[in-house]
Amino acid sequence: DADVTQTPRNRITKTGKRIMLECSQTKGHDRMYWYRQDPGLGLRLIYYSFDVKDINKGEISDGYSVSRQAQAKFSLSLESAIPNQTALYFCATSDGTGSYEQYFGPGTRLTVT
Amino acid sequence: AQSVAQPEDQVNVAEGNPLTVKCTYSVSGNPYLFWYVQYPNRGLQFLLKYITGDNLVKGSYGFEAEFNKSQTSFHLKKPSALVSDSALYFCAVRPLYNQGGKLIFGQGTELSVKP
Repeated sequence: DADVTQTPRNRITKTGKRIMLECSQTKGHDRMYWYRQDPGLGLRLIYYSFDVKDINKGEISDGYSVSRQAQAKFSLSLESAIPNQTALYFCATSDGTGSYEQYFGPGTRLTVT
Repeated sequence: AQSVAQPEDQVNVAEGNPLTVKCTYSVSGNPYLFWYVQYPNRGLQFLLKYITGDNLVKGSYGFEAEFNKSQTSFHLKKPSALVSDSALYFCAVRPLYNQGGKLIFGQGTELSVKP
């Protein structure tokens, strides 16, 4: 979905390195989310944000941090990457006013060696 | 604990035949229900949702889903499958009293439609 973009699309990094994944949206939505996808586990929520001043932990926030730099930008950081953080990461947005469905970016495939 | 289950990791269907992808949920109250599809190397795309009203909801690409409150199910259906329907399908639930619009996802079902 071109309205939600993620950079980079693919990244290989080494254990212990800091890495940032970025998400931008042009949908004008207040709410943004970060998920990770692992085979057989579906999508699990890492962090979510209602607006620029509101950040909340999801079910698997350990080892991750986020920053909501603007309404349109929500970045995910791995302070010290470890191999079990190898996964596909998705950013999503929703408008929070009743339609409830979330709109997803194309994903970032992260490999930690 | 609130959860969503997709009991089949994979569903195989011949082109032209009807398809069903199953989803059951365990949440308190009356949830909002969603289906998403993921094509290879793509993000998730919204297919359809149930909020209230008619138990049969219609969505994109000819898909529909039936909400069954007594069985806590929300199965995805299509009368005639296409090879291009082959993808990974996710059921998701938004519990009614849920801050932030968080979704709980099932583990996904790989649909394979053969010619």
